[in-house]
Amino acid sequence: QLQLQESGPGLVKPSETLSLTCSVSGGSINSSPYYWVWIRQPPGKGLEWIGNIYYSGSTYFNPSLKSRVTISKDTSRNQFSLKLSSVTAADTAVYYCARRKGDTSSLDSWGQGTLVTVSS
Amino acid sequence: QSALTQEASVSGSPGQSITISCTGTSSDVGGYKYVSWYQQHPGKAPKLMIYDVTNRPSGVSNRFSGSKSANTASLTISGLQAEDEADYYCISYTSSNTWVFGGGTKLTVL
Repeated sequence: QLQLQESGPGLVKPSETLSLTCSVSGGSINSSPYYWVWIRQPPGKGLEWIGNIYYSGSTYFNPSLKSRVTISKDTSRNQFSLKLSSVTAADTAVYYCARRKGDTSSLDSWGQGTLVTVSS
Repeated sequence: QSALTQEASVSGSPGQSITISCTGTSSDVGGYKYVSWYQQHPGKAPKLMIYDVTNRPSGVSNRFSGSKSANTASLTISGLQAEDEADYYCISYTSSNTWVFGGGTKLTVL
């Protein structure tokens, strides 16, 4: 059974870069035709799609975050990562990683989420 | 891209049916079959309930069903149960090769 687990600092200072990793077990991130996705949820608010990386390495981002977001993958560690630069308090959220099967809208596996707070 | 429009809240009594709508445009909901629905209980990760407008994953109760008409997708829950009380979100593919969520709907079982 596929499992995803987010990890990274729970506290980031304003203007710095938020870095998170999603470790995948029970399946390979190089498997076709899967997308590996980052989603966030500010406290008490709704879900926001951040972006994703295809098994082939192609990336797609939310236009509102595109200038600040990088998503990459490390095949040797079976992990994919999120970097969000120049963070502000508005970036405080629970960050989820998830998997989507290509040619469907199915986000069928999710991590438990990790809270990242932006504060000095 | 603007969030898809969902009711902020809906409610129903046990055994009743409710419908949650997800309204977008022809550039997202109306243009593709790629709409899915998620249930989220407090403090938990979202759970897939419906994908590609009408498809139900294995293990999800057949009380949950999805449909779409023009630019509006809908999630219907029949035979409402106490454990259905949760937040529900839709998400759609867009013509920009991105994805957009709805604002979320809080379902209360009276």
